[in-house]
Amino acid sequence: GAVVSQHPSRVICKSGTSVKIECRSLDFQATTMFWYRQFPKQSLMLMATSNEGSKATYEQGVEKDKFLINHASLTLSTLTVTSAHPEDSSFYICSAGWAEDGYTFGSGTRLTVV
Amino acid sequence: AQSVAQPEDQVNVAEGNPLTVKCTYSVSGNPYLFWYVQYPNRGLQFLLKYITGDNLVKGSYGFEAEFNKSQTSFHLKKPSALVSDSALYFCAVGEGGGNKLTFGTGTQLKVEL
Repeated sequence: GAVVSQHPSRVICKSGTSVKIECRSLDFQATTMFWYRQFPKQSLMLMATSNEGSKATYEQGVEKDKFLINHASLTLSTLTVTSAHPEDSSFYICSAGWAEDGYTFGSGTRLTVV
Repeated sequence: AQSVAQPEDQVNVAEGNPLTVKCTYSVSGNPYLFWYVQYPNRGLQFLLKYITGDNLVKGSYGFEAEFNKSQTSFHLKKPSALVSDSALYFCAVGEGGGNKLTFGTGTQLKVEL
């Protein structure tokens, strides 16, 4: 089945620095990938839709300049949290694939900003 | 706008007993419905989906769900719960092509011996 690899699984960074999270489709090509954010004991909130070769589509309320998304190839999308602050600490999850297959989710990245 | 409701934050059930995790949805078109399970600090694992076809959907690990259009529900069920089923369960709905999923708030399932 489809596999989505997300890296790193856990990262701690200092306030004011930037962090890049990678999402790779290992055995299929993904023209579209999705980035979600999950707060503790809460649901997943769609942040943006990553489109290969074009700009990402951000959901309302998500800061485009803070959460930079790049989808430069058919197998890789990256989410960069710029000038991170403690309030950006969260669990970030990507997904790709097709509704018919139930989509495939990465294993998530736990970001802690100190 | 589409939405999903999971009315129970937590469901407790004894091992061997049947379990039900409730989900209702709201969508303007034909719904794409999904159930996922999440273990601590992990991504989501797909359990089952309804897009078209039979209203009773069978999925992974013995789980099943019934699509009820009149009640706009898609409850997750399992005839006999296992302790290993203890996890966080999410219901999700997509519309049209199903690309943009809206998730419920999740239900923590606890199966006890």
